[in-house]
Amino acid sequence: DAGITQSPRHKVTETGTPVTLRCHQTENHRYMYWYRQDPGHGLRLIHYSYGVKDTDKGEVSDGYSVSRSKTEDFLLTLESATSSQTSVYFCAISESGRGGYAEAFFGQGTRLTVV
Amino acid sequence: DQQVKQNSPSLSVQEGRISILNCDYTNSMFDYFLWYKKYPAEGPTFLISISSIKDKNEDGRFTVFLNKSAKHLSLHIVPSQPGDSAVYFCAASAGNYGGSQGNLIFGKGTKLSVKP
Repeated sequence: DAGITQSPRHKVTETGTPVTLRCHQTENHRYMYWYRQDPGHGLRLIHYSYGVKDTDKGEVSDGYSVSRSKTEDFLLTLESATSSQTSVYFCAISESGRGGYAEAFFGQGTRLTVV
Repeated sequence: DQQVKQNSPSLSVQEGRISILNCDYTNSMFDYFLWYKKYPAEGPTFLISISSIKDKNEDGRFTVFLNKSAKHLSLHIVPSQPGDSAVYFCAASAGNYGGSQGNLIFGKGTKLSVKP
């Protein structure tokens, strides 16, 4: 199994509070991703990183920010949590780059509930 | 607009028979396709992939077929086993272009139930 750890695994938070989810990898992969999974929507990309301090938006980035200060850690922050951000969040890593074809490996997920 | 479509939310198959899961895509720049399997309360796990230079890739009981002209791919599982019961996601990327286009775009998933 790819060495990906997400923390926390479960969290309940109140509307309006900031929340940070952490993804830690031991594979030294260049690319890291945050996805959310919701019923009827599949997996949607929130943000991704292609290197330390290099990040970009995905298709559902509003209300989220990310940071990557080390190769192994990718943080996802909900600046002011809303009920619409109740979801299961998955971190993924891959070595794919320009001209490359590589699968992404996923973490176990974080179930976030905003009340 | 959805770039990767899995039009069947669910599929039920008898053990030992063939399971066929379908996926359509709209972006002609996609050149790498993958299937993932997901059990409840776990992360998706990679199953099999195919690049656009091929039309078939086989790995044990799993075979992926790609029809570029129809922008269609399918996953065949033969023979199906109860342990195959899971949600299957199709994903695609424009891997050869790199950058954000190399990111995986997922379909909504198909829930496969294999009955003993």
